[in-house]
Amino acid sequence: QSALTQPPSASGSPGQSVTISCTGTSSDVGGYNFVSWYQQHPGKAPKLMIYEVNKRPAGVPDRFSGSKSGDTASLTVSGLQAEDEADYYCSSYSGSSAGVFGGGTKLTVL
Amino acid sequence: EVQLLESGGGLVQPGGSLRLSCAASGFTLSDYAMSWVRQAPGKGLEWVSVLYSGHGGSYYGDSVEGRFTISRDNSKNTLYVQMDSLRAEDTAIYYCAKDQVRGGVALWGFDHWGQGTLVTVSS
Repeated sequence: QSALTQPPSASGSPGQSVTISCTGTSSDVGGYNFVSWYQQHPGKAPKLMIYEVNKRPAGVPDRFSGSKSGDTASLTVSGLQAEDEADYYCSSYSGSSAGVFGGGTKLTVL
Repeated sequence: EVQLLESGGGLVQPGGSLRLSCAASGFTLSDYAMSWVRQAPGKGLEWVSVLYSGHGGSYYGDSVEGRFTISRDNSKNTLYVQMDSLRAEDTAIYYCAKDQVRGGVALWGFDHWGQGTLVTVSS
């Protein structure tokens, strides 16, 4: 159950797009389509933004999109807005009824 | 409206025990897989344990295997985690999280989270 690998930071200007990567192995990200992404503002609980690689829960803006290629999943935020500044975590089912999270990426809106 | 409310956190000495509760409302707990996820101060999220729906099994992360026990009281619609042999590295905010399900299969996408309860392990 090694943590998934995310860049510690990412940034973009308002209106721009930014992509955050999440690299695992064939035992987790590459082996299942149970990849999810969470947004966490300081002092708050995480919020589900993407599940099953590319599905958005009701209420999540379509500026947020997810994809996967091999062992790497990605979250793209288009049309960056100030309120998108937060920590983002990826997560994956890792087999044997266990889950694993990434180390988190701090997204800064310049 | 789905709500999750954790309680039971506090200060405990190394080697001690603590039981956390997660009271659920707005849905039937036993119909969904439920996980505990923790976050050490200033650190990232760590998956801790899952209890599957119905008569499903329970599973644990390597760091808590053999020390933590997840359970559920259907009559109280409440999820628990019994934490024994606590260590300093167990210090964290503990969240309970509801999974999504389709056709009885957990999707490993946690759509509702509680506000968390802080556990501090220190002498």
